[in-house]
Amino acid sequence: AQTVTQSQPEMSVQEAETVTLSCTYDTSESDYYLFWYKQPPSRQMILVIRQEAYKQQNATENRFSVNFQKAAKSFSLKISDSQLGDAAMYFCAYRRPFYNNNDMRFGAGTRLTVKP
Amino acid sequence: NAGVTQTPKFQVLKTGQSMTLQCAQDMNHEYMSWYRQDPGMGLRLIHYSVGAGITDQGEVPNGYNVSRSTTEDFPLRLLSAAPSQTSVYFCASSYGRGHTEAFFGQGTRLTVV
Repeated sequence: AQTVTQSQPEMSVQEAETVTLSCTYDTSESDYYLFWYKQPPSRQMILVIRQEAYKQQNATENRFSVNFQKAAKSFSLKISDSQLGDAAMYFCAYRRPFYNNNDMRFGAGTRLTVKP
Repeated sequence: NAGVTQTPKFQVLKTGQSMTLQCAQDMNHEYMSWYRQDPGMGLRLIHYSVGAGITDQGEVPNGYNVSRSTTEDFPLRLLSAAPSQTSVYFCASSYGRGHTEAFFGQGTRLTVV
């Protein structure tokens, strides 16, 4: 079974600085999808960024970018110019494609604090 | 667009009671699923459905039932609530078989006393 590991239960960053959240996963598949979700105190799950495993180029979305290392099964999230609104729980998630059982597997989450 | 709508947002049950968590989506998504979120464990899949009339078990299905009679609705039933089912429950939907992200409802905080 696929597993997703986030080794940092908590992280903090100074406003305007850069922070990197780590995620590793275990899979025997060659094609899959990876996601970072943000969960603010409102509890809503918000997609931050998505990466297709067949793409070598790292995904970016404004201040958010990933470092996808397929051989190492690593998928870290970099937040640049951190803002107070970035404070939230961040979940890394893995999903298989084109199978009936294509459930999304989540890591345990990293709580990010942004200090003014 | 309403997206994924979950009701209720909060619920307190007594041990042994039953209830249904409602989930509806208006995006014509094939795939719907239910997760529970517990501290330190992320989100774990309870049940999922790949289309109307088709459901299957996820990682933690015991104590829960689902059905999918329409594309839009995917209710989750707690048959006999137990304190171990105290959790936050999320319903999610997505287009097809895994090539897109999941869209989530706002969650239901359930407490079983």
